[in-house]
Amino acid sequence: AQSVTQLGSHVSVSEGALVLLRCNYSSSVPPYLFWYVQYPNQGLQLLLKYTSAATLVKGINGFEAEFKKSETSFHLTKPSAHMSDAAEYFCAVSWTGRRALTFGSGTRLQVQP
Amino acid sequence: EAQVTQNPRYLITVTGKKLTVTCSQNMNHEYMSWYRQDPGLGLRQIYYSMNVEVTDKGDVPEGYKVSRKEKRNFPLILESPSPNQTSLYFCASRTGGNTDTQYFGPGTRLTVL
Repeated sequence: AQSVTQLGSHVSVSEGALVLLRCNYSSSVPPYLFWYVQYPNQGLQLLLKYTSAATLVKGINGFEAEFKKSETSFHLTKPSAHMSDAAEYFCAVSWTGRRALTFGSGTRLQVQP
Repeated sequence: EAQVTQNPRYLITVTGKKLTVTCSQNMNHEYMSWYRQDPGLGLRQIYYSMNVEVTDKGDVPEGYKVSRKEKRNFPLILESPSPNQTSLYFCASRTGGNTDTQYFGPGTRLTVL
């Protein structure tokens, strides 16, 4: 069965440090992969998505993610964390023939001053 | 402004008292869906609709109903709410393709006593 796993429910980094949020998927067919961000008391907002074009995907707010088929991963990175990046981040997967997004359990990012 | 709206944003009710959460989008999207978000579980799809009068079950449909009489509206109905339906609910819409961005509403926090 297709699924998505986010390693680490909480990640804490210092302001200016590298942000790395991990996402691994399990899929028997080529997946479409997404990262969404949820700020407190708000809905989800798309950060970036992979749809079988370039494997390195750049998103908003300086985030990027790389699709690695051999590792079945789609980790989210940002070179330098800002305080405003504190939020919950969700990895999601879809594929041809499935209408819904399957979400990971989320990773809450804390940014320390 | 393109948006998905939900009402109410917060609701406290008692077991068995029927309620409806409304959802409306102004982007002329064909595809709409409802998700519930629970700690440690991410978002799970309840129901979706591919167009007017076309709806289908998602991953966790028990205890919920939906209708799609107009393209812009997709209400979620709980005919006899129970405490295990206490959750944060999100409505979302997109144009139709699996790679299209889903736009999320701001969420409805429901508490069933």
